[in-house]
Amino acid sequence: AQSVTQLGSHVSVSEGALVLLRCNYSSSVPPYLFWYVQYPNQGLQLLLKYTTGATLVKGINGFEAEFKKSETSFHLTKPSAHMSDAAEYFCAVRNAAGNKLTFGGGTRVLVKP
Amino acid sequence: KAGVTQTPRYLIKTRGQQVTLSCSPISGHRSVSWYQQTPGQGLQFLFEYFSETQRNKGNFPGRFSGRQFSNSRSEMNVSTLELGDSALYLCASSSDRGPLGYTFGSGTRLTVV
Repeated sequence: AQSVTQLGSHVSVSEGALVLLRCNYSSSVPPYLFWYVQYPNQGLQLLLKYTTGATLVKGINGFEAEFKKSETSFHLTKPSAHMSDAAEYFCAVRNAAGNKLTFGGGTRVLVKP
Repeated sequence: KAGVTQTPRYLIKTRGQQVTLSCSPISGHRSVSWYQQTPGQGLQFLFEYFSETQRNKGNFPGRFSGRQFSNSRSEMNVSTLELGDSALYLCASSSDRGPLGYTFGSGTRLTVV
């Protein structure tokens, strides 16, 4: 069975500082990996995804993530936090044989001025 | 291109009642999935429909059911509502062509009193 672990349910960063959100997964086959963002009272918006090919993936809003198979990780980063980045972020894995997403517990990001 | 539309946005129901939620996927998308989001359990997969057939199902009791129509619109039904069914119910659609991400709707917030 697949699982996703997000380290840290809450992260606080200063505006302009690096944002680093950690995600580790377990999967018996090469996974498809996703990061989603959720703003209050909204659904999930896709930030970026890894399917195959280049392991450094660039997404929207200046976010990027690197797939590291040896570490079973897919950490999300943004060089400089903006107030608008305050939201909850979810890492998810979709098995190539399946049609569902397994989500991590989410990390809520607070951006301090 | 219109996004995923979920109706209604908010619902308040009484224990023991039943409820039906609706989801209209992106035009051309034939896969519709449903997820339940609660503070305690996070995001959990309910079921997935493709071309009017349930293709995958999560670990929820039989009170939770769904269906998909020929135009790909989907409904989910919860019978004999319990307080614990209070949640944000999210619908996601996918074109199901390769390992693409899912596009989520804004959700239906169900409160059971």
